[in-house]
Amino acid sequence: AQKITQTQPGMFVQEKEAVTLDCTYDTSDPSYGLFWYKQPSSGEMIFLIYQGSYDQQNATEGRYSLNFQKARKSANLVISASQLGDSAMYFCAMREGRDNQGGKLIFGQGTELSVKP
Amino acid sequence: DAGVIQSPRHEVTEMGQEVTLRCKPISGHNSLFWYRQTMMRGLELLIYFNNNVPIDDSGMPEDRFSAKMPNASFSTLKIQPSEPRDSAVYFCASSSGTDLHEQYFGPGTRLTVT
Repeated sequence: AQKITQTQPGMFVQEKEAVTLDCTYDTSDPSYGLFWYKQPSSGEMIFLIYQGSYDQQNATEGRYSLNFQKARKSANLVISASQLGDSAMYFCAMREGRDNQGGKLIFGQGTELSVKP
Repeated sequence: DAGVIQSPRHEVTEMGQEVTLRCKPISGHNSLFWYRQTMMRGLELLIYFNNNVPIDDSGMPEDRFSAKMPNASFSTLKIQPSEPRDSAVYFCASSSGTDLHEQYFGPGTRLTVT
């Protein structure tokens, strides 16, 4: 069964507008972490934002925020005021277990975001 | 502060040859991860080490793949013999035991097996 599902293979957004990239996850572990990574065309993986399963508030990092809805098992990434440089692949990932237990990341298939001028 | 270093950045080899990919994690990080990225399968974990000890190698495709971490600053991923279906981008990532919120990825090695 898919642990991380990203249902949008591709998305378009107008420059300066906000965009939401969807991510749903499946786990029975009460402790887990959710991540978003950006992969531009150059290929490197860039960490954007993290949300712990016990965090009470939604994570924010600059123009990035994570809309965490635990009951629905969703962890959508919101990018505000899109910029041309935001055009890239975006991956949602999950790590099961507590933060101090280490552990592998399980990645979704990714969403390709294109920002139009 | 240098990030995760991988070498080579690109490797082209013929089927049947041995391939060795190298990774130097960020100094002080005690967890190291090898991932493979392909169009068909996306990003998948191959193996990860904690304090130089392999913790989970369930993602290693078959016996042709092996990974070692002889010390805290170096790891290798070896494919012997290589096959065309091994063509992919191989990423190494590391993280710190005190901040597991983020895994820092290296630039990747693009492997092409002809």
